[in-house]
Amino acid sequence: DTGVSQDPRHKITKRGQNVTFRCDPISEHNRLYWYRQTLGQGPEFLTYFQNEAQLEKSRLLSDRFSAERPKGSFSTLEIQRTEQGDSAMYLCASSLGGQGSYEQYFGPGTRLTVT
Amino acid sequence: GQSLEQPSEVTAVEGAIVQINCTYQTSGFYGLSWYQQHDGGAPTFLSYNALDGLEETGRFSSFLSRSDSYGYLLLQELQMKDSASYFCAVAYSGAGSYQLTFGKGTKLSVIP
Repeated sequence: DTGVSQDPRHKITKRGQNVTFRCDPISEHNRLYWYRQTLGQGPEFLTYFQNEAQLEKSRLLSDRFSAERPKGSFSTLEIQRTEQGDSAMYLCASSLGGQGSYEQYFGPGTRLTVT
Repeated sequence: GQSLEQPSEVTAVEGAIVQINCTYQTSGFYGLSWYQQHDGGAPTFLSYNALDGLEETGRFSSFLSRSDSYGYLLLQELQMKDSASYFCAVAYSGAGSYQLTFGKGTKLSVIP
């Protein structure tokens, strides 16, 4: 247990539905990241927050994806109008800021299946 | 952008030594991290190199050559529990922020 928790652990949804995932980072970490991982691939960066500010989004992230981190604590990732291609493991990670971001602590992930 | 290359699979015998190589291309390079991920588990941090040379942490060592854009992870006295995927990740800075880009991973199988 790294101290990063994610909810739910598994989500099965029908194409076209909206889903929302939650991540609770390590409390003293001001950075929070979202990644997507598919089988046989490394984690793919989606977006990250420094405290409550969303500082960068991947160019691969479509407009159907949105993330928030109100008050700089937990974060949510919402996918609207899900597509079968969204099926993946969604990982959240947290770290200290600045140069400490090379050491990230990952949560167990939310496995999304879109049918 | 960033790109990393590492072998997709490696098999080694229990008790032996294995080296997993990683080459990268990136701008704003800051350092090279290594992560381990067991099947069904989350990636966990193993090591980080910001400077050239070897960093040792128990049975694991990591090496970096910035001039060659190359690094490797060395696992000694292999144990069955070391069977996992290993990812190299470049730490880079862009527009004042620091991030990681992961490689596709090397699946290590340790056999008796």
